Parts: sequence; C-alpha cells; structure tokens
Amino acid sequence: QSALTQPPSASGSPGQSVTISCTGTSSDVGAYNYVSWYQHHPGKAPKLIIYEVSKRPSGVPDRFSGSKSGNTASLTVSGLQAEDEADYYCTSHAAGSVFGTGTKLTVL
Amino acid sequence: DVHLVESGGGLVQPGGSLRLTCAASGFSFSTSWMNWIRQAPGKGLEWVASMKEDGTKEYYVDSVRGRFTISRDNAESSLSLQMNSLRVDDTAVYYCARDWGFSSFDLWGQGTLVTVSS
Repeated sequence: QSALTQPPSASGSPGQSVTISCTGTSSDVGAYNYVSWYQHHPGKAPKLIIYEVSKRPSGVPDRFSGSKSGNTASLTVSGLQAEDEADYYCTSHAAGSVFGTGTKLTVL
Repeated sequence: DVHLVESGGGLVQPGGSLRLTCAASGFSFSTSWMNWIRQAPGKGLEWVASMKEDGTKEYYVDSVRGRFTISRDNAESSLSLQMNSLRVDDTAVYYCARDWGFSSFDLWGQGTLVTVSS
C-alpha cells in the first residue's frame, strides 16, 4: 500500500496544456483500468474529474483527459484556466485504494 | 440534493478514542460502497477504510488496521469510524466518501478535524 508517485508541482500559463503523471506498480495502476483523478481546492471537498483511466463524470469539462501506459497514468489539462489552480491526486483500486502523493498545479 | 455530513471530530490525547459519524442523504446509501479518507495538515489525501454496501466486507490501510473499525447502519443511512489507540500522526481532516465503483469517489463530505495531542 505505498502511495502512488506524482510530481510535487506542475505549472503552465493560461491556455497552455500541462500533464501530471501518476506512477504505481503492476499490483495497482498496472493491474487494473481503475485509475481516478481528483481536483482539490484547499478548504473544499475533493472533486472527481476522471474515473476508469479516461472517463469524465457529467459536468467535468473536456479540457481534462486521462490516459495510462503500463504502471503510469497521466492527467492532461488543456486550455489552462485560472480556476484550474489546485491540488490534483490520482487513485488506483488495489486491496482497498491508494492515493497518489499529490501535485500542486499553478497557473502562471 | 445528495449530502454527506461528518461529525465527531475534536481534540483527544494520544492513546485515546474517538468515534466519527457520517450522515448520508439524498441517495441510496444501502447500495453504496462507503469510505473514510483523511488528510493530515500539509500532507496529501490518504485512503483509510472502506466498507461494502451490505457491511460484509471491510478494508483498511495498514497504519490503522487493528486500531480503527469502520461500520454502517443502512437503516439510518450512516457510516461510522471507531478510532482507538489514537496517535499523533492520526491528526487529520477525515472525509466520508461514496465509491462510485473501484475507487472512484464521486461524493465527499466537508470533513471533520481530528487532533491528537497532549
């Protein structure tokens, strides 16, 4: 149950794209197509933005997209907007669940 | 509207106990896999425990297994977390969350703060 590895920070200017990685093992990320991503603004409840690697819940803009290759999943935010500045976490279904270490996205 | 509302947080001394409760409304609680997730100050999110819809299966992160117990009352649409032998590193905001399926947490409460300190 080791945390999935994410870069501590990422940044981009408005309108640009940024990709955040989430690296696990063959026992979690690599084993299942059950990777989710969450957007977390401090002081608020986290919000599900991607589930089952690449699916978006209703209401989530298509600027958010997900993918996976082997033991690494990725979240891409296109057309960056100021309100995208937040912490982002991945999770993988394993024996229970495991979260990533989190990435602070800064919109320059 | 669908809601999850946590309660029961507070200040407790190391070695003490606390019971958190999550009240659910607006959705079919009895058909939902439920979870507790926490965030320590300045740290990331950490999944803590989960329980199957009918209460027949439960899972825990290694660091709380044997000290925490998750339970549910489907008749009352409530989820609980009994926390015993609390340690300083259990200090965190504890969230109740619904699992849409395979670790897709689509509904979260606002959280309740647990502080373990002498």
